[in-house]
Amino acid sequence: QVQLVQSGAEVKQPGSSVKVSCKTSGGTFSSYTISWVRQAPGQGLEWMGGIIPMVDTANPAQKFRARVTLTADKSTNTAYLELRSLRSEDAGIYYCTREKISAAAVLDLWGQGTLIIVSP
Amino acid sequence: DIQMTQSPSTLSASVGDRVTITCRASQSISSSLAWYQQKPGKAPKLLVYKASTLESGVPSRFSGSGSGTEFTLTISSLQPDDFATYYCQQYNSFTWTFGQGTKVEIK
Repeated sequence: QVQLVQSGAEVKQPGSSVKVSCKTSGGTFSSYTISWVRQAPGQGLEWMGGIIPMVDTANPAQKFRARVTLTADKSTNTAYLELRSLRSEDAGIYYCTREKISAAAVLDLWGQGTLIIVSP
Repeated sequence: DIQMTQSPSTLSASVGDRVTITCRASQSISSSLAWYQQKPGKAPKLLVYKASTLESGVPSRFSGSGSGTEFTLTISSLQPDDFATYYCQQYNSFTWTFGQGTKVEIK
């Protein structure tokens, strides 16, 4: 059974960077697009962008383009999200997701989430 | 960006009730809409995509409808496992956006 397994919670200072990993286990990695969605505490969902590991093409959302880097390592079936210049409003849960291969942009598999705390 | 507005924000219902959640888009998104269910402390789960296509394994009491700017998610007979928050997502534009969520509570 395919799973997305994310790295553990992080506590970061304002102005620093965080890198979250998402490992695909039990299935093909590079055929899918991996997207990232975040959720501030008690709030809704926000799409941050995606990457197609097969062609190493990343598409960060306009809002995050200056601060986000999306990468993928096909040798380890792992995708990464790096967010720079962290601010308090970046705190929340970050999810990696897989797009449905038969329906692009539909998120049919989610990681367990990674909690990011931003605190001085 | 396309704005997605869900109503109501909170819904109180009893087991067995028919429940309808509405999602409105700020401009036409054709049928590029998905619905997700999220329980506390868990990742969202895909229920419906292309406005009305039920994801494999999702109970048939869930159904989606609509096109253009107005969409609905209906639960025909609410079950104890259905108390959760529901989100719509549009994927018609370059930037995907979600509704703010509808929490379905026990009455």
